[in-house]
Amino acid sequence: GAVVSQHPSWVICKSGTSVKIECRSLDFQATTMFWYRQFPKQSLMLMATSNEGSKATYEQGVEKDKFLINHASLTLSTLTVTSAHPEDSSFYICSATGPPREAFFGQGTRLTVV
Amino acid sequence: GENVEQHPSTLSVQEGDSAVIKCTYSDSASNYFPWYKQELGKRPQLIIDIRSNVGEKKDQRIAVTLNKTAKHFSLHITETQPEDSAVYFCAASPNGNQFYFGTGTSLTVIP
Repeated sequence: GAVVSQHPSWVICKSGTSVKIECRSLDFQATTMFWYRQFPKQSLMLMATSNEGSKATYEQGVEKDKFLINHASLTLSTLTVTSAHPEDSSFYICSATGPPREAFFGQGTRLTVV
Repeated sequence: GENVEQHPSTLSVQEGDSAVIKCTYSDSASNYFPWYKQELGKRPQLIIDIRSNVGEKKDQRIAVTLNKTAKHFSLHITETQPEDSAVYFCAASPNGNQFYFGTGTSLTVIP
């Protein structure tokens, strides 16, 4: 199947700093990618839809200034957690729809803010 | 937006028994319903899916049923094995791109 790669897989940062997470579709083009957040033992919560060449669409309750999304090419979307705080610690996963219309997920990024 | 509910949240079965997980959705526009299996710390993996023009789909020990009128769909795993132990998520999608996930079911298969 199609491959979506996410980097880094694990990051620890200090409170107040910003962290960038990359999501790449390796063997297909994705005009749209999606970012999810997952708390321990909980479900995936859709945060935003990343649109290539235009602004991201955020789900209700998700701060767009806090979670900056950039989708500059057909194979790359980035999520930047700005001014991170301990409550932002979570597992972040991206996905893209590849052929044949299946959602493929990145391997996830475990963010710990200390 | 879409609201997907999933039950039960935890499920323990004896090896060889069947497991059933149920989901309901709210948006009648949803037409694609995948099921994902997620092992701890790993990405979700698609195990089976069903589209709204079909009422049932089976793949070896796994089957999914869909009732569009009642807006619910279910995952059935027969002859469960210890390696089936994982968290299972249902999802609903109106367009095959955005997916709204259920709250997950932690399945434990007891040897």
